[in-house]
Amino acid sequence: EDQVTQSPEALRLQEGESSSLNCSYTVSGLRGLFWYRQDPGKGPEFLFTLYSAGEEKEKERLKATLTKKESFLHITAPKPEDSATYLCAVQTTTGANNLFFGTGTRLTVIP
Amino acid sequence: KAGVTQTPRYLIKTRGQQVTLSCSPISGHRSVSWYQQTPGQGLQFLFEYFSETQRNKGNFPGRFSGRQFSNSRSEMNVSTLELGDSALYLCASSRRDRDSPLHFGNGTRLTVT
Repeated sequence: EDQVTQSPEALRLQEGESSSLNCSYTVSGLRGLFWYRQDPGKGPEFLFTLYSAGEEKEKERLKATLTKKESFLHITAPKPEDSATYLCAVQTTTGANNLFFGTGTRLTVIP
Repeated sequence: KAGVTQTPRYLIKTRGQQVTLSCSPISGHRSVSWYQQTPGQGLQFLFEYFSETQRNKGNFPGRFSGRQFSNSRSEMNVSTLELGDSALYLCASSRRDRDSPLHFGNGTRLTVT
């Protein structure tokens, strides 16, 4: 059965304190792994798509990496505005367009 | 470029009633997907429509249904509402090709009393 697990559930960081969020997955075949950011009361906002092991993508203070079993979202020198829930999702090779989501990591960055 | 628009933003309904939610996708996006988000289960896939046809369906009862119109706008209907249907319902659109991720609206918050 396809499964996505994110850890930790919640993370509190001081401003400037770098860290990583983990997304481990078990799927029959991976078509793509997606990272989204969700602010309270809003829908998920697309950040990155990763397709194959070894791939990396960067955007401002965020960097996403992918291995055959997991993905990491590295946050370098975070700011309070990076506080949000970060969601990981996978799309499988079945041909369907739907995503399987993890339950997210709630990040709080303290000034 | 306008994003995905969902209406209404908030709804309060009573058990046993039915509800219809609306979604307008990003211009040029012909795929519309619906997800249910709850604190306990996270985001769960309901169904996807492409070119007015349901392409894929998640593991939800038949009370949940949808449709898509020729202009790609979509509606989702839930009949005989139950307390457990209280959730944030999210719509997402895409071009449905490899390099087109899902783009989400801000959802409709449904409360069933």
